[in-house]
Amino acid sequence: DQQVKQNSPSLSVQEGRISILNCDYTNSMFDYFLWYKKYPAEGPTFLISISSIKDKNEDGRFTVFLNKSAKHLSLHIVPSQPGDSAVYFCAASASQGAQKLVFGQGTRLTINP
Amino acid sequence: DAGITQSPRHKVTETGTPVTLRCHQTENHRYMYWYRQDPGHGLRLIHYSYGVKDTDKGEVSDGYSVSRSKTEDFLLTLESATSSQTSVYFCAISASGGSYNEQFFGPGTRLTVL
Repeated sequence: DQQVKQNSPSLSVQEGRISILNCDYTNSMFDYFLWYKKYPAEGPTFLISISSIKDKNEDGRFTVFLNKSAKHLSLHIVPSQPGDSAVYFCAASASQGAQKLVFGQGTRLTINP
Repeated sequence: DAGITQSPRHKVTETGTPVTLRCHQTENHRYMYWYRQDPGHGLRLIHYSYGVKDTDKGEVSDGYSVSRSKTEDFLLTLESATSSQTSVYFCAISASGGSYNEQFFGPGTRLTVL
């Protein structure tokens, strides 16, 4: 049972345009959500996060939106750059003891020149 | 970058042999985690540690054991490797548990079980 789902395995966007990556979750106990970026042969690197008390968090070109009623979050990248080409994972956790992250399957983003 | 190293970075072994992967951190973080990454599954938690000698199971712990005798080292052992354990293994650390604390990941170990 996949508690966190990224239904788009891949996404292709033109350089300079907006990239929107989506993530859905089923567990209503999740109260913290994170996005990680992963290049080949490297570990995931933390990108941005949001707690359930907010509906938006911005960090430079990256904005994460959280819709708790729909159990949906999205990551917006504006403007998209070639270096943004990577696999993006969303993850979620519930505030109980150790932070056990539950990851989605990942979306491969390709930025075309 | 968080000081996390994993060794070995690549390993090929045969079914039935024991394998130990090592995660070493220089951040003095309390929490350490082992994940495996497989196509179509993202990353899945195997085991985690919340202090020296304090460990607990994650989502996919069968066939794996862990040990943490020092703050900086977290070992993952496959007692008798199987082909289904062919995967990329990532170690992660965080300063504290609960929410609102991001985890930092090591570079990964690619394990192939023949």
